[in-house]
Amino acid sequence: DAGITQSPRYKITETGRQVTLMCHQTWSHSYMFWYRQDLGHGLRLIYYSAAADITDKGEVPDGYVVSRSKTENFPLTLESATRSQTSVYFCASSESGSGGVSSYNEQFFGPGTRLTVL
Amino acid sequence: ILNVEQSPQSLHVQEGDSTNFTCSFPSSNFYALHWYRWETAKSPEALFVMTLNGDEKKKGRISATLNTKEGYSYLYIKGSQPEDSATYLCADFIYNLFFGTGTRLTVIP
Repeated sequence: DAGITQSPRYKITETGRQVTLMCHQTWSHSYMFWYRQDLGHGLRLIYYSAAADITDKGEVPDGYVVSRSKTENFPLTLESATRSQTSVYFCASSESGSGGVSSYNEQFFGPGTRLTVL
Repeated sequence: ILNVEQSPQSLHVQEGDSTNFTCSFPSSNFYALHWYRWETAKSPEALFVMTLNGDEKKKGRISATLNTKEGYSYLYIKGSQPEDSATYLCADFIYNLFFGTGTRLTVIP
């Protein structure tokens, strides 16, 4: 089915372990994003990608790594998980707008991954 | 860090009442203002993307206005229904989206 999916939906891990969250979209959208959502904060951007092999930091990138070898996939890796990374993670995608800017285009969000780091 | 503020934080209204809430954002270097609707246990879904000062957008009973000179946007819901219960997020786009913490609306039947 067309859309944006995330896996796993729930994950429990331990401090120091590596965890990879997967995101897949079928629209061939240029832009993909990773956000985290914590109580008392709005959605905060971790990393984004304007196209395959182009990634850039968002507001809260420390402790995370991303890659985008294919347009449809945008995995997020926590190289050594910490308790402060317990959160709900949302992947999103959007079309590229005029001049390659995504500001005018709505973002489509995946269902989220709830990650608990013990 | 961009300061996007939404008020009120939460709101309870009776079914059939009309309501509105506010999003304020820095008025310099404006590109776009996004509104999203986020139901519990679901993902945020876009309502509007607003780009021009004085913009008014409407989708069914929901409408929004934008004032980029003073840095605010209003979201209005006319004749609230229980299915309107959700958190309404606004986000200001500079080089990326910066989200407010949302207004949580509960419509009481």
